[in-house]
Amino acid sequence: SQQGEEDPQALSIQEGENATMNCSYKTSINNLQWYRQNSGRGLVHLILIRSNEREKHSGRLRVTLDTSKKSSSLLITASRAADTASYFCATADSNDYKLSFGAGTTVTVRA
Amino acid sequence: DTEVTQTPKHLVMGMTNKKSLKCEQHMGHRAMYWYKQKAKKPPELMFVYSYEKLSINESVPSRFSPECPNSSLLNLHLHALQPEDSALYLCASSRQGPPETQYFGPGTRLLVL
Repeated sequence: SQQGEEDPQALSIQEGENATMNCSYKTSINNLQWYRQNSGRGLVHLILIRSNEREKHSGRLRVTLDTSKKSSSLLITASRAADTASYFCATADSNDYKLSFGAGTTVTVRA
Repeated sequence: DTEVTQTPKHLVMGMTNKKSLKCEQHMGHRAMYWYKQKAKKPPELMFVYSYEKLSINESVPSRFSPECPNSSLLNLHLHALQPEDSALYLCASSRQGPPETQYFGPGTRLLVL
């Protein structure tokens, strides 16, 4: 079942610009994860943020989590053409731990 | 070895056929997953195996039958599928059961005629 809602659905930016996408969810979570998917291929794990964490960095990625608002954001800085992909947030429910994916944001980075 | 492999990459089958999808990992992970993904949609969880035992079945129709012969292998047996079952089938594994980070294979693209 799909729990997360992502915003925007699609994003087009110039190479070198930053890309920000948001994820909102409904239930109590154990953690929230972000994945990238290139054109109908497998998903690649980007970052996991636990419910007691507020911000996490990994290279050019910055993730925030606000459990009071049940929302998260993913920021990709200094985007590259290779960042063109679909990005999904996935929440791990605090009761059954199942991972539920949001609808995804399609990011296009123009050269 | 840090990858999950899936075979075949593509599969075309008729509604009366029986086929199997295979997934393998050699990372020592103890949980393995099957997801179904339709075009432009997020992955949907089908099954979870934890320590070789089926721990989650998301009310998947019986024409999909999972099997975990050992901790490295996961199969999905397909029988009497419908055209609406055409999708990308993704396998994933994690070190322990959910809610850990999952490592995905490249998927099998299935077309049911």
